[in-house]
Amino acid sequence: EVQLVESGGGLIQPGGSLRLSCAASGFTVSSNYMSWVRQAPGKGLEWVSVIYSGGSTYYADSVKGRFTISRDNSKNTLYLQMNSLRAEDTAVYYCAREGQWLVSGMDVWGQGTTVTVSS
Amino acid sequence: QSVLTQPPSVSGAPGQRVTISCTGSSSNIGAGYDVHWYQQLPGTAPKLLIYGNSNRPSGVPDRFSGSKSGTSASLAISGLQAEDEADYYCQSYDSSLSGLYVVFGGGTKLTVL
Repeated sequence: EVQLVESGGGLIQPGGSLRLSCAASGFTVSSNYMSWVRQAPGKGLEWVSVIYSGGSTYYADSVKGRFTISRDNSKNTLYLQMNSLRAEDTAVYYCAREGQWLVSGMDVWGQGTTVTVSS
Repeated sequence: QSVLTQPPSVSGAPGQRVTISCTGSSSNIGAGYDVHWYQQLPGTAPKLLIYGNSNRPSGVPDRFSGSKSGTSASLAISGLQAEDEADYYCQSYDSSLSGLYVVFGGGTKLTVL
């Protein structure tokens, strides 16, 4: 079964760091375009970052310089390292697969992991 | 505010047809990038509903259809059913000096009366 399972969320103080994980099964992370998308409480979807199958990475301006997307091919897992966290980073974070960049849409989503930034 | 503009809400009675618009600009939809649509039921992750402007993934009923023209796209839902009540998001890509980014619409809440 094709599946994504996120973990690593929690309550963290402003300025702190957190690493989210997204374990994939049924397909190979490194062969796909993988994104992180977040949703603040009561708000819409916001794209955070993408890692191309070739390894290139891109970030939304709101997280550039603070967040780092990466993957471990041996574990078939996607990561999001989040540093210098702010209250406005509070959200449910989803990982998602896009098989063909620009064409196929995000066809597999995880269940989401909640990050709360608060003192 | 979102790069792609959607109406905050639409509504319709069971059996009716509703459309949700998604308006962009020359740097995203108007540049030729595809538009995808997602359905998000309360408390769940988004689900891909339409990809590549007008294509339905396997399992999505043909009551859902998508189209694109110029700098805009639309999602149409015919034969409205109670289970269609959800939030709907359009998504495309936006090119800037620093790269190519994923952009979402602000979302539209569909209420089935």
